[in-house]
Formats: sequence, C-alpha cells, structure tokens
Amino acid sequence: ILNVEQSPQSLHVQEGDSTNFTCSFPSSNFYALHWYRWETAKSPEALFVMTLNGDEKKKGRISATLNTKEGYSYLYIKGSQPEDSATYLCAFISQTGANNLFFGTGTRLTVIP
Amino acid sequence: DAGVIQSPRHEVTEMGQEVTLRCKPISGHDYLFWYRQTMMRGLELLIYFNNNVPIDDSGMPEDRFSAKMPNASFSTLKIQPSEPRDSAVYFCASALGTGNRGYTFGSGTRLTVV
Repeated sequence: ILNVEQSPQSLHVQEGDSTNFTCSFPSSNFYALHWYRWETAKSPEALFVMTLNGDEKKKGRISATLNTKEGYSYLYIKGSQPEDSATYLCAFISQTGANNLFFGTGTRLTVIP
Repeated sequence: DAGVIQSPRHEVTEMGQEVTLRCKPISGHDYLFWYRQTMMRGLELLIYFNNNVPIDDSGMPEDRFSAKMPNASFSTLKIQPSEPRDSAVYFCASALGTGNRGYTFGSGTRLTVV
C-alpha cells in the first residue's frame, strides 16, 4: 500500500474566492497521477491525468500542476462557485503497480454562496 | 455510451446471506476494477481485471469475497457469507489502457448487512 496524502481534509470558502489543495505521493517509481471530482451521492469523475514532471492541466476554472521529483500535485480552483462543492480525490499509480490506483482520502470543498 | 452500470443500487441483507454485486463496464475498456468505500479507509482497491483476467486480488479482504469476469461486458463481486462489517459502498470502474487515462466509475452499490 502506497501513502497518498491530501490536505487539507476539508475546506470552506466563500463564493468567488480562489483556492488550492495538495496531494503528496511517493516520489520514486512514478507513473501517473489522477485527480477526480466526487459530488455527494454520485460517483467520482476524472478531472485530470498527469504523467510528466512539470505537467500543467486546465479545465475551465480548475487547473493542476505536478512535481514528480518532490512528490506533490496542486489543484487550483479560480473564482469558486457553489457547484464546485465536492470532494476532490487524487490517486497515484507507480511504475511497479501496473494499473493499481492508490487514492488519497480527499479534500472536501464547500463553497458558501 | 451509458457509462459503467452497476446493480443493484442498494442492497440490504441479513448477516450470513450471500450477496452478489454486478457491473457492466464501458464497451471497449480493457480494465475493470472493484473498489470499496468506507469511512475509515476511503476508496480501496479490492481486485482488478485486464482483458477479463484477474491481475491483482491482494485487496480482497478474505476468502468470503470472490470476483469473476466471465466476459468483457460483465463482472460480479460476491460475498458469502456476508457480515455487518462488509457494509460499505462498492464501486466498479473501467478504463482503457495502462493508467494514463481517467477511470470511469459506476454509481456504486450501497450494501448494508444487518
């Protein structure tokens, strides 16, 4: 079992604020890092898959960066909206782990109107 | 595509009974995963298949759990006999390729063992 940590565990922000959270993962044997968005009573939806050190991905107001040498990824949300309220999960695959995604426990974001 | 389809959505059963959860992956996806979500451990991988062959079942908690994938469009996760500590949400996910694409999750089966 590989250690994937996310911080903070939960976060409350005002509508319109920008925010970011962190995913830490083992820096050795890196293969891929996934970000998922998980709304209550729904299933996780893939946001980004990142494979290269220095990768930056963007989808609308949400973006992510990746540093494989130091083992962290940041997820940024610009101008948070109430519909961004969800749990954001990161998941790590090692080179030796085939297709085994190890999930962090997530950051639960609540955007207050 | 209708996405990954799981059934049933909810299952309530008595301790000791057999429970079967079902999953239909996205057509063309060559990987299928069974995950369990609990408050204590979050999302944990139970087993996954590649081209219908089980690759890693090290996450299956004990012999009471078994999974099969008889063809590319169907998989089952069976618990026999069920125990209250098996109560959780069980997700099936499918993917194409070797992990450099996002996984597609089903809606999950909420299992309650009383």
